[in-house]
Amino acid sequence: GDSVTQMEGPVTLSEEAFLTINCTYTATGYPSLFWYVQYPGEGLQLLLKATKADDKGSNKGFEATYRKETTSFHLEKGSVQVSDSAVYFCALSERNAGGTSYGKLTFGQGTILTVHP
Amino acid sequence: KAGVTQTPRYLIKTRGQQVTLSCSPISGHRSVSWYQQTPGQGLQFLFEYFSETQRNKGNFPGRFSGRQFSNSRSEMNVSTLELGDSALYLCASSNKTFLVPYNEQFFGPGTRLTVL
Repeated sequence: GDSVTQMEGPVTLSEEAFLTINCTYTATGYPSLFWYVQYPGEGLQLLLKATKADDKGSNKGFEATYRKETTSFHLEKGSVQVSDSAVYFCALSERNAGGTSYGKLTFGQGTILTVHP
Repeated sequence: KAGVTQTPRYLIKTRGQQVTLSCSPISGHRSVSWYQQTPGQGLQFLFEYFSETQRNKGNFPGRFSGRQFSNSRSEMNVSTLELGDSALYLCASSNKTFLVPYNEQFFGPGTRLTVL
């Protein structure tokens, strides 16, 4: 079955440091890939997405590139801020033969990011 | 546009009871999915409803059920509660159609269920 593996956490950085959170996936088809962020006490917010190979999703300074050859979707940010402290989830959604997405997201285990001033 | 709303936000029940959680999707969204979030198992898919029909189901026992109404609002029910059902239950809606090749889901704040 489908699965998503994220790098072991938690991750602790100083403000303005470079961030990478690794994500690799296993899927039988051709999935869409997502990064979600969860702030304390809140639900999940979509951070960025990519729907086909070599697509680069970007938002709020975060970027991730859909790498089909390495089945990866690593999240990066050049300069993190204290406000980026949250839990980050990598996720995928499979599609059927007709191209329609199934209504199921498969999530990685989440990576806790803490940024200190 | 209002986001996904879930009620109640917090709930305390005892073992053996049953519980019903409610989710109102974003206006115009016809797909509603439910997830269970626990520290040990992470985020796990429960089921998806689209146009009042269950389209996908995760690997949960039959005590977990759901339904969707004609206005796309959805409810999930857990019967005979167990301690292990304590979790954050998240609802997500999507405007998934055959024209939209990806499944961008918008999440509600969740219902925190505690089973004593």
